Amino acid sequence: DGGITQSPKYLFRKEGQNVTLSCEQNLNHDAMYWYRQDPGQGLRLIYYSQIVNDFQKGDIAEGYSVSREKKESFPLTVTSAQKNPTAFYLCASSMLGSLDTEAFFGQGTRLTVV
Amino acid sequence: AQSVTQPDIHITVSEGASLELRCNYSYGATPYLFWYVQSPGQGLQLLLKYFSGDTLVQGIKGFEAEFKRSQSSFNLRKPSVHWSDAAEYFCAVGGNNAGNMLTFGGGTRLMVKP
Repeated sequence: DGGITQSPKYLFRKEGQNVTLSCEQNLNHDAMYWYRQDPGQGLRLIYYSQIVNDFQKGDIAEGYSVSREKKESFPLTVTSAQKNPTAFYLCASSMLGSLDTEAFFGQGTRLTVV
Repeated sequence: AQSVTQPDIHITVSEGASLELRCNYSYGATPYLFWYVQSPGQGLQLLLKYFSGDTLVQGIKGFEAEFKRSQSSFNLRKPSVHWSDAAEYFCAVGGNNAGNMLTFGGGTRLMVKP
C-alpha cells in the first residue's frame, strides 16, 4: 500500500541533544513537508521541499534542519537550538503541478523533552 | 498572505444531531479549500476539497461543505453526527504559492454526547 511512514511514533529527548525524525513516502510525490502541531495552534509549517537536494524554510524553521537526498525521504532534525521542541510533528507529501491536489499525512511523531 | 480562521475551538453536539463547523479564509485569488479530520494521536485524513465548480461538495463519512465566496467561508456540515465523528477538524487553504503549501486553521475539537 502507498503511504507515508513516520518513525518513531514516540521520541524522548534530553536537553541539549539533537534528534532526527524519519519520514518516508512511496507515493512518488514531488513535494514533502514538515508541520509542527501544538494544542490550539493548528499546524505550522517548518520546512518544505519540492525537489531532491532543495528545500525551503517555512514559518517556524529556527532550531530545525532537514535534508532531501532522495525523493522518498525527508528527515527532520530537531537541534538543541530549538528552545521548546515538545510537540507533535507531522510529515506530509503531495504532487506538484496541480493546485487542487491534497496533501497526504503520516501518523505523526510525538517528541517529548525530558 | 493567506489565512484561515476556525472560530470555534470546541463544539459539543448530541449523537444524531446536525453539525456545522465554521471556517473563514483570507485569500486574494480563487482559493483551494480543504477539510481534514484528525483522531487523537493520528495523522490527518482528507474529508473533502473544493477548487472549482459546484459550491456544495460532498466528502467521505457523510460530510459536506459549502463554499460561499461572498462570505469567505467554507463551512463543514453533517446532518446526523455519530459518536465516531468525535475528533479534531482542520480547515485549510491552498493556492498559487510555491510548493503547494497549505495554511491551516487552528482546528475545532468536536465532542459527541451519547
